[in-house]
Amino acid sequence: RKEVEQDPGPFNVPEGATVAFNCTYSNSASQSFFWYRQDCRKEPKLLMSVYSSGNEDGRFTAQLNRASQYISLLIRDSKLSDSATYLCVVNLLSGSARQLTFGSGTQLTVLP
Amino acid sequence: ETGVTQSPTHLIKTRGQQVTLRCSSQSGHNTVSWYQQALGQGPQFIFQYYREEENGRGNFPPRFSGLQFPNYSSELNVNALELDDSALYLCASRSGLQPDTQYFGPGTRLTVL
Repeated sequence: RKEVEQDPGPFNVPEGATVAFNCTYSNSASQSFFWYRQDCRKEPKLLMSVYSSGNEDGRFTAQLNRASQYISLLIRDSKLSDSATYLCVVNLLSGSARQLTFGSGTQLTVLP
Repeated sequence: ETGVTQSPTHLIKTRGQQVTLRCSSQSGHNTVSWYQQALGQGPQFIFQYYREEENGRGNFPPRFSGLQFPNYSSELNVNALELDDSALYLCASRSGLQPDTQYFGPGTRLTVL
C-alpha cells in the first residue's frame, strides 16, 4: 500500500466548475500536511498547508481529518490557469529528518 | 522564484556511468533534501543533509550518495547508472526557522540510455 494515495484522474472540468480532490495517508505519525501544485515539466510549488480546522485561500479550501487520515482540496470557480497536477503531501519526522512523502498526483485540466 | 538553483538542467548518460548533480540552496537555508521523480509519479525522498551530514534517507541504494558543503550547496552522486534512474531530480532547501516549508529547485532531468 502506498503511504499517500490519490485518485490519479485525470479530471477534465469546464471553467467555473467546482472540483474536489481527495487523499489518504497511512502513517498516523505524519505531522504536517500540504497540497502542492506541479505544472508540466516544472518543480512542485506549495499551494497551501492543511490544518484540522480547515483553511481557505481564495478559491481553494483544504481540510484534514486526522482520525480518518484523509485530506481534501476543493477548488471553486475553476480557471484555465488551475490546470496542473495537484500533489498531496505529508511531512513525517524520521529521526531528525523531515521527510516529505508525496502522492502520485491528480491531474486537472480546466477546459474553456 | 524560490532562489534554489540546480545544474545541469538536462543530462544524458549511458548505463553504468556515474553522474553528479548540483544544487544551490536559498540563502540562509541550512538543510537540503533530494528527491527523485519518475514520469507520472510524485517525488520520492532520497536523502536529507543538515550541516554537511546526512541525517535522513529514503529507500534508495548506496550508489546514491551526496555531499553538502559549508555554504550549504549540495551534490547528488549516482554511480553505476541504471535505465530506471531516468527521472527528474529535485533538490529542496529549508531553514530551521520554517521547518515545514521546503523550496524546490527547477530540477535536473536525467536520461539514462
